[in-house]
Amino acid sequence: GAGVSQSPSNKVTEKGKDVELRCDPISGHTALYWYRQSLGQGLEFLIYFQGNSAPDKSGLPSDRFSAERTGGSVSTLTIQRTQQEDSAVYLCASSYNYGQGSYEQYFGPGTRLTVT
Amino acid sequence: DQQVKQNSPSLSVQEGRISILNCDYTNSMFDYFLWYKKYPAEGPTFLISISSIKDKNEDGRFTVFLNKSAKHLSLHIVPSQPGDSAVYFCAASFQGAQKLVFGQGTRLTINP
Repeated sequence: GAGVSQSPSNKVTEKGKDVELRCDPISGHTALYWYRQSLGQGLEFLIYFQGNSAPDKSGLPSDRFSAERTGGSVSTLTIQRTQQEDSAVYLCASSYNYGQGSYEQYFGPGTRLTVT
Repeated sequence: DQQVKQNSPSLSVQEGRISILNCDYTNSMFDYFLWYKKYPAEGPTFLISISSIKDKNEDGRFTVFLNKSAKHLSLHIVPSQPGDSAVYFCAASFQGAQKLVFGQGTRLTINP
């Protein structure tokens, strides 16, 4: 079946503009995650959705960042008033969490965001 | 505060030899560890994992070793192949927190 897809693959935006990044998880996966990778860094957790539970937003770096997941499937990460330090690759992952424990997360190809 | 550390940014190994990638962690609450492999312009791909109740997990050419007392894990690839050239990320998590904490990555280059 299809893997995790993300759009756009690349986004260049001017400082101060808002951007929306989209993620389509693997069908049937109950959990969805957003990470970002800045240049030369590891992946940094942003937010996690699990079923109908309240999302874990503990990784969002500022209130300019928000995310939603509609219908338990597609997710949109929104960055308002972008800053140059927001430039990074934004990665989405999904997993099938059927109980307690840790599960393999499957990643999309990412969206490379460049703020000029 | 870097909870998961990969202290070697790069590693070069000859084809056919063993590649050993290392990872250290500081949070003793971590109970599940994973290795991901990443090619340029692609998302990370899951490689192998290990639960804290084990000290070794093997899958084909890939073996992960966990030393809980030293808070250290390693990934062994043997024999190394040119297609193994990629960036390898170590990641950790603990029950109740599904998010993964990643290291900075190690770029592995396999030389023919």
